[in-house]
Amino acid sequence: EDKVVQSPLSLVVHEGDTVTLNCSYEVTNFRSLLWYKQEKKAPTFLFMLTSSGIEKKSGRLSSILDKKELFSILNITATQTGDSAIYLCAVLKSSGDKLTFGTGTRLAVRP
Amino acid sequence: SAVISQKPSRDICQRGTSLTIQCQVDSQVTMMFWYRQQPGQSLTLIATANQGSEATYESGFVIDKFPISRPNLTFSTLTVSNMSPEDSSIYLCSVWQGTGTGELFFGEGSRLTVL
Repeated sequence: EDKVVQSPLSLVVHEGDTVTLNCSYEVTNFRSLLWYKQEKKAPTFLFMLTSSGIEKKSGRLSSILDKKELFSILNITATQTGDSAIYLCAVLKSSGDKLTFGTGTRLAVRP
Repeated sequence: SAVISQKPSRDICQRGTSLTIQCQVDSQVTMMFWYRQQPGQSLTLIATANQGSEATYESGFVIDKFPISRPNLTFSTLTVSNMSPEDSSIYLCSVWQGTGTGELFFGEGSRLTVL
């Protein structure tokens, strides 16, 4: 059975801190890993990672994939209160078009 | 980027009733996906809606409980039938953006509360 596990489940930090969110997976026929941010109802896309060791970066957010060890990390530097959200990772298999989502990490950034 | 309109945005329903959620996309797409997110949980795929054929349901979800329509390439509906409090969730429709970017777009979501 495919599994996507995120850690920690929740995290509280202060503005300006740097956080690292983890996502490990066990799936057959892996194709890519996606990160989403969910603030209210609809998740919004952050990154898609396909190749191992290549960092994707967008402003203060960055992510990298390790296909040998089957995990990805999402880094957020200089956190702001607007970063407070649930961060979801999801895995796409090469055999289909559906995503398997992880449990999510709930991040709270305090002023 | 695909624009997905979903309604209702939220609703409060009585046990035993049914509710239909609509999803409209601003471009033609082959597949539309319906997800459920129960309180405090992650997203779980209910089914894939294909135009011109029956929807494909995931393990644990059945057509009698979650009938889906897909009359054309831009529209789909999901009905939650004979609702119970356990059906209280956010329901999300989603589509892949074209090819290459790998981004799965989500509608705004429908938050259902069943009393």
